[in-house]
Amino acid sequence: EVQLVESGGGLVQPGGSLSLSCAASGFSFSSYDMNWVRQAPGKGLEWVSYISRSDSTIYYADSVKGRFTITRDNAKNSLYLQMNSLRDEDTAVYYCARDLGGYYGPWGQGTLVTVSS
Amino acid sequence: DIQMTQSPSTLSASVGDRVTITCRASQSISTWLAWYQQKPGKAPKLLIYKASSLEGGVPSRFSGSGSGTEFTLTISSLQPDDFATYYCQQYNSYPYSFGQGTKLEIK
Repeated sequence: EVQLVESGGGLVQPGGSLSLSCAASGFSFSSYDMNWVRQAPGKGLEWVSYISRSDSTIYYADSVKGRFTITRDNAKNSLYLQMNSLRDEDTAVYYCARDLGGYYGPWGQGTLVTVSS
Repeated sequence: DIQMTQSPSTLSASVGDRVTITCRASQSISTWLAWYQQKPGKAPKLLIYKASSLEGGVPSRFSGSGSGTEFTLTISSLQPDDFATYYCQQYNSYPYSFGQGTKLEIK
């Protein structure tokens, strides 16, 4: 079964840092591009970042550029998101999602990041 | 950046109804459009890609159409499991973007 499991969310103060992980199983992780997508409480979906299968290509949303860093470790079947200089507006559930050619499936169950003092 | 606008924002319908949700792009995206279903507290689930291709395992009552800037998601006969929020997503150019969502409620 294809599965993605996020971890690392929690409560952090504005200006702080947090690192998210996504563990993949049930498919050849190194053969797929991957993404992070977030959803603020009660709001819609926002694409955050993309990394190609060999990490040669990386994109970020303008809202996180310069603050967030996406990486992957194909040997560990894992995707990561390092989040620095966190702001209140970064509060959201963060999903990792397998890229099927620009569209996503499946998605992980999500991990909640709360930025608050 | 490409803006995606869905209508309506909320739709009330009954089991057995045929419903249509519209998604409009601020510029042409050819058929680079996907539809997702999301239930409360759950991750989104892919329904349709490339505007009209049904993802494996998705019931055939779901269908998509459109190209360019206007797209539709149709559910031919609503089932109790279909009451959820639906999102469109363009993947024509980065930054990829989603519509604001359409909440499908029981009438």
